[in-house]
Amino acid sequence: GAGVSQSPSNKVTEKGKDVELRCDPISGHTALYWYRQSLGQGLEFLIYFQGNSAPDKSGLPSDRFSAERTGGSVSTLTIQRTQQEDSAVYLCASTILGSLAAPTEQFFGPGTRLTVL
Amino acid sequence: AQTVTQSQPEMSVQEAETVTLSCTYDTSESDYYLFWYKQPPSRQMILVIRQEAYKQQNATENRFSVNFQKAAKSFSLKISDSQLGDAAMYFCAYRSANFGNEKLTFGTGTRLTIIP
Repeated sequence: GAGVSQSPSNKVTEKGKDVELRCDPISGHTALYWYRQSLGQGLEFLIYFQGNSAPDKSGLPSDRFSAERTGGSVSTLTIQRTQQEDSAVYLCASTILGSLAAPTEQFFGPGTRLTVL
Repeated sequence: AQTVTQSQPEMSVQEAETVTLSCTYDTSESDYYLFWYKQPPSRQMILVIRQEAYKQQNATENRFSVNFQKAAKSFSLKISDSQLGDAAMYFCAYRSANFGNEKLTFGTGTRLTIIP
């Protein structure tokens, strides 16, 4: 079956512009995560969705960042008034929430590389 | 908050040899999960192996095995019979056992080069 897909694969934008990054999770996966990978860094958690609600937004770095998920499926990460420090790879992952005895694997998409000039 | 540390930014190994990647973590929780992910140049994160903290036995997946030392908060990855396809960034990750939010906390990664 199809894995997690993200679009666009690469995005170059000018400082101050708004960008939207899209994530299509695996069908039926209830949980969706956004991570950011800056150059030379590990992945940094941004936000988590369970269904259409976001119980944990603690990783969003500023109020310029927002995300939504509709229909329990597609998610969009929006960055307003982009800054050069926003340049990074943005990765999305999805999973079916398991149980304490059976943790489930997060399946990652290929990411969107964002470059802010 | 939990932290994950990978102190080896780069490692290299001869093809067919064995290499060990280090990872330490800090947590006050008693129950959690640890993972090793591989990220090739395609950027796709691939789960290599995982370990449940409540299990004393070290996890093994074919040529990949871990040395989990709970008291020392250490979780190293051993790759045996290294192959060219093993070349990638390797990330160690931590996940709380609290049900409901399975967000991962990652280390900064180790770039593994395989020498033919």
